[in-house]
Amino acid sequence: DQQVKQNSPSLSVQEGRISILNCDYTNSMFDYFLWYKKYPAEGPTFLISISSIKDKNEDGRFTVFLNKSAKHLSLHIVPSQPGDSAVYFCAVMIYNQGGKLIFGQGTELSVKP
Amino acid sequence: DADVTQTPRNRITKTGKRIMLECSQTKGHDRMYWYRQDPGLGLQLIYYSFDVKDINKGEISDGYSVSRQAQAKFSLSLESAIPNQTALYFCATSDQRGPGTGELFFGEGSRLTVL
Repeated sequence: DQQVKQNSPSLSVQEGRISILNCDYTNSMFDYFLWYKKYPAEGPTFLISISSIKDKNEDGRFTVFLNKSAKHLSLHIVPSQPGDSAVYFCAVMIYNQGGKLIFGQGTELSVKP
Repeated sequence: DADVTQTPRNRITKTGKRIMLECSQTKGHDRMYWYRQDPGLGLQLIYYSFDVKDINKGEISDGYSVSRQAQAKFSLSLESAIPNQTALYFCATSDQRGPGTGELFFGEGSRLTVL
């Protein structure tokens, strides 16, 4: 049974608008959450993270929101740019267990000019 | 040069053959990982190693083995490849010696096709 789910395999957004990518997890023991971005023919790269003591973390155009009661994580990209077109993976971990990340299935974002 | 280097980048092989995927890193990280990516399944952890003498199974270790030859090198072997091991394989590293972010640094991937 998958512990981390990204229920939208793909998302298409117009340039300049907001992109919202969603992620749900099942285990309340997870206390650290990350988003990775992957371009074709490249490995995933770290984008942004948040710990369970926060409900929001912002880095430029990227904001991650955490709703612990709902076990829900989201990534907002504002404004979206064509270069943001990529596959986005959410990942979760139990911080004291080190770097063992569990990844979602990924959402392919397409930002159209 | 990439900090995490995987070889080969692409490999086509036949069922039953032994295959080794190699990973080397120049980041000086203690922790190394092997993941596989399948369409619709995301990234799944195969094996991980927190130091040279510490190797652990991940979610999907059956059919795979690993060797941590040095801090900088971590190899993944398929003793007898089968078609459902066709996938994109990623090596990753992390540094968790102090308060860490959980951030992994990935190689560019090795695409394996088993016919």
